[in-house]
Amino acid sequence: AQTVTQSQPEMSVQEAETVTLSCTYDTSENNYYLFWYKQPPSRQMILVIRQEAYKQQNATENRFSVNFQKAAKSFSLKISDSQLGDTAMYFCAFTFTNFGNEKLTFGTGTRLTIIP
Amino acid sequence: DAGVTQSPTHLIKTRGQQVTLRCSPISGHKSVSWYQQVLGQGPQFIFQYYEKEERGRGNFPDRFSARQFPNYSSELNVNALLLGDSALYLCASSLATSGQMNEQFFGPGTRLTVL
Repeated sequence: AQTVTQSQPEMSVQEAETVTLSCTYDTSENNYYLFWYKQPPSRQMILVIRQEAYKQQNATENRFSVNFQKAAKSFSLKISDSQLGDTAMYFCAFTFTNFGNEKLTFGTGTRLTIIP
Repeated sequence: DAGVTQSPTHLIKTRGQQVTLRCSPISGHKSVSWYQQVLGQGPQFIFQYYEKEERGRGNFPDRFSARQFPNYSSELNVNALLLGDSALYLCASSLATSGQMNEQFFGPGTRLTVL
């Protein structure tokens, strides 16, 4: 069974600073995808960034980037120049590539607060 | 285009009752998945449906059931409600394009409270 662990229940950072959220996972699969989802207070969950396990290059999306260490089964999210709108719960999630089965396994989340 | 919609937004039931939650996927999306998110935890996978067929089932009791209709909308049913069923129930839809890992788009959820 796949598991996803987020060891930081809460984090806070000053606006404009950089913050890194940690995630580790456990799987015996070789082909899989990793995701970071953002769930703002009382708002819908949205995808922040995704990483295919077969790609060595780390994914980036504007101010968001990941550090994917496949051997260590580590997948951290870096948010640069943090903004007040980044305040949210952040979930790390995993799925393995098995067409037709789109089950996402989520971690317990990190509550991130950006301080003005 | 409208995103994933869910109804109702909030629901209060008592133990032993039955509840039906509804989800309308994004237009063109053929796959619908259901997740349960207990307060303070990450979402837990319940079901996935694609083209009206069950494609995946999570570790939930038989009190939980779902179905998908010809228009790809879906219903989640929970029988004999327990206090522990109180949670935010999320629906997600995707294109389910062959050979690709498709992004799942989440709805706003239905907040179920069991008293």
